Parts: sequence; C-alpha cells; structure tokens
Amino acid sequence: NAGVTQTPKFQVLKTGQSMTLQCAQDMNHEYMSWYRQDPGMGLRLIHYSVGAGITDQGEVPNGYNVSRSTTEDFPLRLLSAAPSQTSVYFCASSRTQGAGNTIYFGEGSWLTVV
Amino acid sequence: DAKTTQPPSMDCAEGRAANLPCNHSTISGNEYVYWYRQIHSQGPQYIIHGLKNNETNEMASLIITEDRKSSTLILPHATLRDTAVYYCIVRVASNQGGKLIFGQGTELSVKP
Repeated sequence: NAGVTQTPKFQVLKTGQSMTLQCAQDMNHEYMSWYRQDPGMGLRLIHYSVGAGITDQGEVPNGYNVSRSTTEDFPLRLLSAAPSQTSVYFCASSRTQGAGNTIYFGEGSWLTVV
Repeated sequence: DAKTTQPPSMDCAEGRAANLPCNHSTISGNEYVYWYRQIHSQGPQYIIHGLKNNETNEMASLIITEDRKSSTLILPHATLRDTAVYYCIVRVASNQGGKLIFGQGTELSVKP
C-alpha cells in the first residue's frame, strides 16, 4: 500500500526560484490537502481540494499555488521561493471532506530556501 | 485558531497507562476529535477519532466527556516507542472544508 507519496523528500532552493512539490495518493480519495510545519509548531493548512477541479485556500496560502487535474495528484507550486518558506511540507488525503473520514499523511518534504 | 488545548509535556513510566488530556470547549456538534502522533518530524500518524462516544482500537482508547468539551487519549501499556508529540485535533464539518485544526500538541516521554 503506497498511501500518500510525496516527492522530493529534500530540496534546497535559492531565493526567487520556483519549484513544485508532488503529492500522489492511490486510495481514490476525493479530499487532499497541503500543510506546512515550522519548528516547534503544529501543522498549518496551506491549500486543500475536495475533488478534481476544485481547490480552496487554507490558513497560510500566500506564495503557493495548487491545482487538481486528477483525483490522484495534488501538486504544490512555489512561484518565487522566499526564506520564510523554509519548512517541512506534508500532503494529506481522506476519502471525502466529511469530518468523520480519517485523514492520512505523507512522510513529508523538507524544503530549505537560501 | 486552534480549537484544542493540551499540556505541553508529560512523562510516563514504561508499561504504565499514559493518559493524555485535551480541552476543546468550543467544539461544534458536528466536529470530530482526532488524535495523531508525530515522531521526529515524520508524517503525523493517525491514532483514533470520535464524535460523542468512547472509542477503542488496537492502539488506544478515546474517552470523550458527555458535554464534549474535553477528551482523554489512553495508551494502555506505554512503551519507549510511544515517545512522540501527540496532537489532539478538531476536524471541522464538511461545509467548512473538512479541515484539521492543529494545536501545539503534548510531548510524551516514556521512561524506562
């Protein structure tokens, strides 16, 4: 069972560069989301999607774009990386957005912006 | 805005039950309480969740008060591998996006 797969696991960017963090799930889940975690803090929601073609902003969306062209994939794009975006990024999915459906997380992508 | 409050840290002796408390006094009627744990910045691992009733699975038990303003996660026989940060989280209703709202978590240290 692959579950939620994130790539790359580690990435170093220079300020101003762009990149895409990939997320894929093989559980046919409708709901997918991206979180970031800064040192000593809980996770904060960046963007989420309740199905293919539908995305919405979370708590900290600035500087990030998402799209959901397929059920399986939910890439997170950094358009112009800034040092403040140095963080650990987690992708997560659940069967639907219903509150009783368990959310499963990927293993994380460590991003450093220098 | 976090909807949960947890003690920042707790200790537990190996083999004893670990009881982790959580306050969620502003939880709405259709919001669920979830517990996850995180070890060394790995992806959060699902433990258990509930709405009103107490729940038990192979990992833990979840006790929710009748007024739903607080809950307790019970690890019945803690081992050293249970040392982690435990998050008590509210998942909001689907009409608000079905988001998880994380708080600061409790750092549980299981000691020999």
